[in-house]
Amino acid sequence: KAGVTQTPRYLIKTRGQQVTLSCSPISGHRSVSWYQQTPGQGLQFLFEYFSETQRNKGNFPGRFSGRQFSNSRSEMNVSTLELGDSALYLCASSSLTGGRDTEAFFGQGTRLTVV
Amino acid sequence: AQKVTQAQTEISVVEKEDVTLDCVYETRDTTYYLFWYKQPPSGELVFLIRRNSFDEQNEISGRYSWNFQKSTSSFNFTITASQVVDSAVYFCALSGSARQLTFGSGTQLTVLP
Repeated sequence: KAGVTQTPRYLIKTRGQQVTLSCSPISGHRSVSWYQQTPGQGLQFLFEYFSETQRNKGNFPGRFSGRQFSNSRSEMNVSTLELGDSALYLCASSSLTGGRDTEAFFGQGTRLTVV
Repeated sequence: AQKVTQAQTEISVVEKEDVTLDCVYETRDTTYYLFWYKQPPSGELVFLIRRNSFDEQNEISGRYSWNFQKSTSSFNFTITASQVVDSAVYFCALSGSARQLTFGSGTQLTVLP
């Protein structure tokens, strides 16, 4: 079974630009979550999608958005990039068992550098 | 609000030594899950264990063992006979009613040959 796949692995963007990151979950997993990892703030929750609906959102500005497609693949978008958006963006997928989410399995992340 | 504290920022041991990584958590949820993840230099977070708040039974998996103590809100992780390949950043995390993982700041473990 293939794991969580994130593309691209590395990205360099200029301040003010926008970027779209992609995540393909493990087959059969319908929940996709996004996390931002920086040296200063650590791992922080961005948002979570289940069956194309955003179920939960972290404390990030509106420049950060996401969506999920009918095949459970997810994208996140960051508009008007700032230097502080430079980070490793991690996507995780999980499934439902007995009404509860299972453990989250993570992809290798997308390393975004804003210059 | 949930909080996970990993007080040990960095730990360095010599191969074959035992090492314990500490994790203390705070939550108001009565039902929650605790996790440990390993992050090698490649960046991917590798799942190690999930523990239900109602199950305080300690668990052993090979050289890894976990000690969950609800009375002290701790979920510590021990690696027995450490190996160089165990070198990584280890994260403790908590998930409650909000369906999101709250991570600790991580412990960088270095195992020297």
